[in-house]
Amino acid sequence: DIQMTQSPSTLSASVGDRVTITCRASQSISSWLAWYQQRPGKAPKLLIFKASSLQSGVPSRFTGSGSGTEFTLTITSLQPDDFATYYCQQYTHYASFGQGTKVEIK
Amino acid sequence: EVQLVESGGGWVQPGRSLRLSCVGSGFTFDDYAMHWVRQAPGKGLEWVSGISWNSNRIGYADSVKGRFTISRDNAKNSLYLQMNSLGGEDTAFYYCAKGDLLVTGPFDMWGQGTMVTVSS
Repeated sequence: DIQMTQSPSTLSASVGDRVTITCRASQSISSWLAWYQQRPGKAPKLLIFKASSLQSGVPSRFTGSGSGTEFTLTITSLQPDDFATYYCQQYTHYASFGQGTKVEIK
Repeated sequence: EVQLVESGGGWVQPGRSLRLSCVGSGFTFDDYAMHWVRQAPGKGLEWVSGISWNSNRIGYADSVKGRFTISRDNAKNSLYLQMNSLGGEDTAFYYCAKGDLLVTGPFDMWGQGTMVTVSS
């Protein structure tokens, strides 16, 4: 099974900050990686697929990069709606998720 | 409206069974793989099972293999999860999610979920 590890687990930031979340895969997954946002009490929402492709309707302040085993999600100029938990997911062999990164207000 | 609606959750005693359903609308259901993802209270997301558009390819997480069975009925735009031998570790919110054509692919639509509580 492919294990996904995110860091940090929690991130404190302010509106307007640039934040970066890292995701590492236990083996190469090429670019078969997605990022999701989950707000409390809500279903996850797809933000990024194929490591760097922005899902339709998602603001351009969200960017993804990486390939192989190391990936990042960057949010430029954090907005109030962005305080949420973010998950990476590999989908090269069925699916598995990282443990999540909670972005909280500093 | 494009949506997924889950049902069938509830309270069940350990060792018993439960069947979840998910109905899709607003898209061509049989063009896509479908998945079940769960989230225990206060925890992260765990992929449970996935099924290709034609049911030819099916996968399960190790934690549910041999106990859970995924199936679909494309004529009814429906996805199912038969859960047997339930234990406390299966207590979670269960989401159905729409994948890609194959069983691998990102999940671009999610239902609102149905809660399963396993307790005596």
